[in-house]
Amino acid sequence: SAVISQKPSRDICQRGTSLTIQCQVDSQVTMMFWYRQQPGQSLTLIATANQGSEATYESGFVIDKFPISRPNLTFSTLTVSNMSPEDSSIYLCSVGQLNEAFFGQGTRLTVV
Amino acid sequence: GQQLNQSPQSMFIQEGEDVSMNCTSSSIFNTWLWYKQDPGEGPVLLIALYKAGELTSNGRLTAQFGITRKDSFLNISASIPSDVGIYFCAGRGRSGGSNYKLTFGKGTLLTVNP
Repeated sequence: SAVISQKPSRDICQRGTSLTIQCQVDSQVTMMFWYRQQPGQSLTLIATANQGSEATYESGFVIDKFPISRPNLTFSTLTVSNMSPEDSSIYLCSVGQLNEAFFGQGTRLTVV
Repeated sequence: GQQLNQSPQSMFIQEGEDVSMNCTSSSIFNTWLWYKQDPGEGPVLLIALYKAGELTSNGRLTAQFGITRKDSFLNISASIPSDVGIYFCAGRGRSGGSNYKLTFGKGTLLTVNP
């Protein structure tokens, strides 16, 4: 399985600011995904990060709010823009290998 | 869109007891995955299932891919305190252009009383 490192592991941010979360994988992967997990909830897919093209966003998520970069096959970033308390969640990076999916440890974001 | 119903939502059991949880889907899945999430961590893959009827074990864990392709269960035998956590099922269906795009259940919170 891939080893996935996310930074930061947690942060407390002021409303109106933006936070960029980094995801580094120890091997080249085609597919990288970003999920949100609100407190006590399941995982919701935000977008698929495509190398060399724009990310594909799921219903309810837009690029202006969650811009994503995928500069190469081992790295991606997710930015949570103009944050509000409703953005307080765990944000998870995931990669697909064969038919399985693996996750980073997550970034716990609290917006105050 | 695809929906997954996972039950039970929570379980409180005594150490040594067996546990069973299941997921049902409104549509057919090609792959079922079971994850465990500890507090402050990301989900960790426990078992992956690829064929209808497949029964797979990983230590004290056993999972099955339902014959109808719309359900899966996870059993934990002889539970121990470190089994505590949230267990998620996830499925990937036939439709959709994104490989590895998963739908997740709402999770089962397991508490084991020593």
